[in-house]
Amino acid sequence: GDSVTQMEGPVTLSEEAFLTINCTYTATGYPSLFWYVQYPGEGLQLLLKATKADDKGSNKGFEATYRKETTSFHLEKGSVQVSDSAVYFCAPPNFGNEKLTFGTGTRLTIIP
Amino acid sequence: DSGVTQTPKHLITATGQRVTLRCSPRSGDLSVYWYQQSLDQGLQFLIQYYNGEERAKGNILERFSAQQFPDLHSELNLSSLELGDSALYFCASNPGGNTIYFGEGSWLTVV
Repeated sequence: GDSVTQMEGPVTLSEEAFLTINCTYTATGYPSLFWYVQYPGEGLQLLLKATKADDKGSNKGFEATYRKETTSFHLEKGSVQVSDSAVYFCAPPNFGNEKLTFGTGTRLTIIP
Repeated sequence: DSGVTQTPKHLITATGQRVTLRCSPRSGDLSVYWYQQSLDQGLQFLIQYYNGEERAKGNILERFSAQQFPDLHSELNLSSLELGDSALYFCASNPGGNTIYFGEGSWLTVV
């Protein structure tokens, strides 16, 4: 079956630093992955999705590209801001009739 | 605003008590999911309903139960509460595609 392995945190970075959060996904079907973000005091919300080789998902300056050689969809951002402080989850796609599982979540703290 | 509504937002109750958490999914969404999020366990899938029927079950305790009503809203019942049940409980809904929409959660504190 499909499995998701997410880099555990917490991760602390200075403002404007480069961010990478790792997520490795082994899929029995079509490779795609979702990244969700949970800001303090809120529920999870979809950040972006990335599908198949060389297709890049992007939103709010974040990007995730599928890398076939490592079956990974790492989340990246070139210059983080304090407002990016949150918990980030990766998850395989759900098509309405499956249990939706998430990675362990990575807590990101950005220091001014 | 995700369109998923959860009530109550905060709840404090004593050990041994029973509470009911309510979720109204986005209009027309047939699937409802319940999750428990605690500091030490992360985000745990509890149960999923689809159009009134249980579809998938995760790490849900026997003391917990859920149901989805004909109007598609769902309730999560937690009984014989223990201190360790203190957590944030999320409901999410799915329109049938591959994007999930989460509510803002119900904070449960058991004292």
